[in-house]
Amino acid sequence: DAKTTQPPSMDCAEGRAANLPCNHSTISGNEYVYWYRQIHSQGPQYIIHGLKNNETNEMASLIITEDRKSSTLILPHATLRDTAVYYCIVRVRDAGNMLTFGGGTRLMVKP
Amino acid sequence: DVKVTQSSRYLVKRTGEKVFLECVQDMDHENMFWYRQDPGLGLRLIYFSYDVKMKEKGDIPEGYSVSREKKERFSLILESASTNQTSMYLCASNSGELYGYTFGSGTRLTVV
Repeated sequence: DAKTTQPPSMDCAEGRAANLPCNHSTISGNEYVYWYRQIHSQGPQYIIHGLKNNETNEMASLIITEDRKSSTLILPHATLRDTAVYYCIVRVRDAGNMLTFGGGTRLMVKP
Repeated sequence: DVKVTQSSRYLVKRTGEKVFLECVQDMDHENMFWYRQDPGLGLRLIYFSYDVKMKEKGDIPEGYSVSREKKERFSLILESASTNQTSMYLCASNSGELYGYTFGSGTRLTVV
């Protein structure tokens, strides 16, 4: 799986958009970008994933650059409950369904 | 709402005890996983299973075994608990490689 790089921490004001970047410059053509988050003392929670096109669901939007070397997770209106560690994972389709988390970005949403 | 349920939120066990961690999912998923999570080390895969009675070693299987007698249940067994197995244990499932994982809330195990 390709290596990902994320800033260790970010702050965001409540109600504002939180934009979390991820670099994955060694991504290959069959690798997907997945985002998870983990709220303190809970299990990780799947957010969204994509291959090439931008994706949106009820939780977030995922913007993938045209060269696929980076992506941004957008929480459009961050709430205090969005405070968590956010993990960007790049994974091949046939990787045996194994998931590896790196350090992630600790997002602190402040009132 | 789909769920992965881990039987215990917190456990304290003594060194040498045999420990069972249970995980049940109600989504009819084929794939189930056991991870442990430690500060600075991220999430590490212990064992996973593609089907009933099928199991595969992950990255750190030593000291652990698993059992999958029914599709919905995947058990992690610590044959003889040691203090270095103190950790947060997370169970997950998914229905295929294109889909996200659903995780349980975790079991924080302390071995004393």
